[in-house]
Amino acid sequence: ETGVTQTPRHLVMGMTNKKSLKCEQHLGHNAMYWYKQSAKKPLELMFVYNFKEQTENNSVPSRFSPECPNSSHLFLHLHTLQPEDSALYLCASSPSQTARYGYTFGSGTRLTVV
Amino acid sequence: AQKVTQAQTEISVVEKEDVTLDCVYETRDTTYYLFWYKQPPSGELVFLIRRNSFDEQNEISGRYSWNFQKSTSSFNFTITASQVVDSAVYFCALRGGTYKYIFGTGTRLKVLA
Repeated sequence: ETGVTQTPRHLVMGMTNKKSLKCEQHLGHNAMYWYKQSAKKPLELMFVYNFKEQTENNSVPSRFSPECPNSSHLFLHLHTLQPEDSALYLCASSPSQTARYGYTFGSGTRLTVV
Repeated sequence: AQKVTQAQTEISVVEKEDVTLDCVYETRDTTYYLFWYKQPPSGELVFLIRRNSFDEQNEISGRYSWNFQKSTSSFNFTITASQVVDSAVYFCALRGGTYKYIFGTGTRLKVLA
């Protein structure tokens, strides 16, 4: 039990589908993050939320749409994805968006776009 | 610009051998933090250690030790007497004044029984 729970663990979707990834933490953290991990590439930061407000969007295509209804939950809504979007999507949280803290990561959602 | 380089893509060792994972970083920030994470096959990255730029003391935690040298911009990680359970991908990361994490590409460690 990592403290950050991601569902589903695995997802296969067609390019025309709409799906959502869910991330939940009950650590009392106020910052939450979405990362994309592709084979042989560094982890790519996608979005940052701090106290429910989006503070970073690293030029992520609009087919990825994040939602943070409260400090404990983070969603990533997916629609009309491309095969190159297949990757491990990791959610992380930290007490706040400052440099001192390490992150707590979830186990990720392994996404395959067919 | 900030950058983290983990030149070793994959390392294989036999159980009980010592192994060092290299991490070299670049930053212009005077205050920054360095991290190591472990990613086992289950997927989640597990936080191992954080060092700030003003603390160059080496740290030891059980079989793990870290060597931080600002003069060479390196933050190397050594596992002593490796075990099969140490098999994972290890990431070095840097956070500076922008609060953004910069991750290295990771080193896959395989410990063979």
